[in-house]
Amino acid sequence: DAKTTQPPSMDCAEGRAANLPCNHSTISGNEYVYWYRQIHSQGPQYIIHGLKNNETNEMASLIITEDRKSSTLILPHATLRDTAVYYCIVRAGFSGSARQLTFGSGTQLTVLP
Amino acid sequence: NAGVTQTPKFRILKIGQSMTLQCTQDMNHNYMYWYRQDPGMGLKLIYYSVGAGITDKGEVPNGYNVSRSTTEDFPLRLELAAPSQTSVYFCASSPGQGKIHEQYFGPGTRLTVT
Repeated sequence: DAKTTQPPSMDCAEGRAANLPCNHSTISGNEYVYWYRQIHSQGPQYIIHGLKNNETNEMASLIITEDRKSSTLILPHATLRDTAVYYCIVRAGFSGSARQLTFGSGTQLTVLP
Repeated sequence: NAGVTQTPKFRILKIGQSMTLQCTQDMNHNYMYWYRQDPGMGLKLIYYSVGAGITDKGEVPNGYNVSRSTTEDFPLRLELAAPSQTSVYFCASSPGQGKIHEQYFGPGTRLTVT
C-alpha cells in the first residue's frame, strides 16, 4: 500500500474551513484514498473516500489532484467538536487478504474558539 | 440504527482470568473486525470475519479467540489474561463488496489487566 504523509498538527478557527493535506505520491491505480478521524477516547470514525474524482458528503469534501499524488480533506465550517486526529489512508478497494486499516500518525486538528 | 455496540465499556481483570468482549452491529454488514489500540499508538488488527462462520487472524491474534455464529455478533474471547493485553479494544464492521475499508467502529472497551 502507498505510504502517506500528513502534517503532525494544524489549527483552525471555529467557523472557518479546515483544509487537511495528505501526500501519497506512490499511490497505485487501484488504490482509494480514505479519511478517518479519531476524537479523543472514542473509536475511529469513517469520513469519506475517493478514487480520482472529488467527493462530498454531509461531513466533508475530498479533493484529489489530477495525478492522484495528493489530496485534501475539507471541513467546510469547522466546529469545536471537529477537534480530532485525522488519518489519511490509502488502500486497494478490493484487497484480497489484507482487511486491516493501517492508521499512521495522522494530523491533530485543533479547532480554536 | 445503533451502529456498532460494544460491552462492557470498562473492565479490570486479574492476570490469568478470562473474559468475553461483546460486539453487535445492526447494519447487516458482512465484515467485522477486532482491533486493539495501545496508549499513543495506532490500531492493530486482532481478528476479522467476512461472514457468519468465517474468521481469520489479523496482525496480533495470540491470546485471543473469536467466533461468528450470526451476522450481527462477533465476540472476542481473552483466555488467561496478561498485562500485555491492557489496551482499548475496538470492534468495527464494513459492508464488504468493494467497501471493505469503509469501516464503522464501536465506542471501545477499555481493559486493564493487573
